[in-house]
Amino acid sequence: DQQVKQNSPSLSVQEGRISILNCDYTNSMFDYFLWYKKYPAEGPTFLISISSIKDKNEDGRFTVFLNKSAKHLSLHIVPSQPGDSAVYFCAASARSFGNEKLTFGTGTRLTIIP
Amino acid sequence: KAGVTQTPRYLIKTRGQQVTLSCSPISGHRSVSWYQQTPGQGLQFLFEYFSETQRNKGNFPGRFSGRQFSNSRSEMNVSTLELGDSALYLCASSFLGGDQPQHFGDGTRLSIL
Repeated sequence: DQQVKQNSPSLSVQEGRISILNCDYTNSMFDYFLWYKKYPAEGPTFLISISSIKDKNEDGRFTVFLNKSAKHLSLHIVPSQPGDSAVYFCAASARSFGNEKLTFGTGTRLTIIP
Repeated sequence: KAGVTQTPRYLIKTRGQQVTLSCSPISGHRSVSWYQQTPGQGLQFLFEYFSETQRNKGNFPGRFSGRQFSNSRSEMNVSTLELGDSALYLCASSFLGGDQPQHFGDGTRLSIL
């Protein structure tokens, strides 16, 4: 049972435009969410996180939006740059319920077209 | 500051054998977590060790085990290897552990023949 779903395996975006990566979850106990970026042959690197008490968190070109009623979060990258080409994973935990194990989605491969 | 180091980077084994993977966390980090990455499955949590104690465990069979030493270095062992164990095994460290943002190593690619 995939509790965190990234339904788009791949996404191509023109350089300079906005990239929007989506993530859906089914477990209503999830209350903390993170995004990681992964380049080939390297481990994932942490990008940005959001707690369920907020609906938006911004860090430079990266913004994460959380819609709790829809159990949906999205990562916006503006403007997209060639170095953003990577696989992006969203992850979730139920920290308020004492479960800090991270559940990851299957990833979305983002390709930025120059 | 050195990052998370995983050894070896690549490993080829045959069915039925056992394997031990090693992870050296960032200096000062007390938590080490292990993940399995396979195509189409994303990263699946194996277990977390914090100050030499297993703090969390994922839904993997008992063939998968781990330990952490007093210097926070960790090892993961898989016994009686199966073809389905072929995967990238990632180790991640953090100071507080749990769901805090983690620093990942580059992984060990395990291939079972």
